[in-house]
Amino acid sequence: DTGVSQDPRHKITKRGQNVTFRCDPISEHNRLYWYRQTLGQGPEFLTYFQNEAQLEKSRLLSDRFSAERPKGSFSTLEIQRTEQGDSAMYLCASSLPGQLGYTFGSGTRLTVV
Amino acid sequence: AQSVTQLGSHVSVSEGALVLLRCNYSSSVPPYLFWYVQYPNQGLQLLLKYTSAATLVKGINGFEAEFKKSETSFHLTKPSAHMSDAAEYFCAVSDRPPGNTGKLIFGQGTTLQVKP
Repeated sequence: DTGVSQDPRHKITKRGQNVTFRCDPISEHNRLYWYRQTLGQGPEFLTYFQNEAQLEKSRLLSDRFSAERPKGSFSTLEIQRTEQGDSAMYLCASSLPGQLGYTFGSGTRLTVV
Repeated sequence: AQSVTQLGSHVSVSEGALVLLRCNYSSSVPPYLFWYVQYPNQGLQLLLKYTSAATLVKGINGFEAEFKKSETSFHLTKPSAHMSDAAEYFCAVSDRPPGNTGKLIFGQGTTLQVKP
């Protein structure tokens, strides 16, 4: 069990650029979640995968955001045409079905300048 | 809809003193409840969870929480604070089967400061 791995840890980008983050869940976990956490706030749910199927998306996930989990293993979160309001910590988590509470990665901190 | 309210965005205690972090929830169905801790620039670590097996739940690092349905509360306590407990603490609620996606609704967090 190597934990949930996220890459990169930090990303600074100029407004209008596209960015992509990667999450590698714990290998046997088939559920994968993305959350966004802004400064001084609790994490907010963005989206959820069971295997390769994206089963739920938050209204926070605008058209500029897209998440994939093509083979049911790692996942990517892409933000197109970044805005300053996208600056946040993006957290990935994984779990087994029925598992209560999941394992979070260390997050990717995005700064849009 | 489910929600969580954490009372007090900052709590300061002296080392060795009792820690009490407050959490109230709102849920139309019996909830699952969680406490997570977050250290600076880190992800969240699960401290403990309530699943209805017992109302007093013991977690890691000496923390415990008591589920009180009549008060819709799930406060986190620790008898004696350590300097290493200084962190951000989040209370969260999730749904139960059959609609269980595992999605968590988090409170806004409480920053715990421990003074020497």
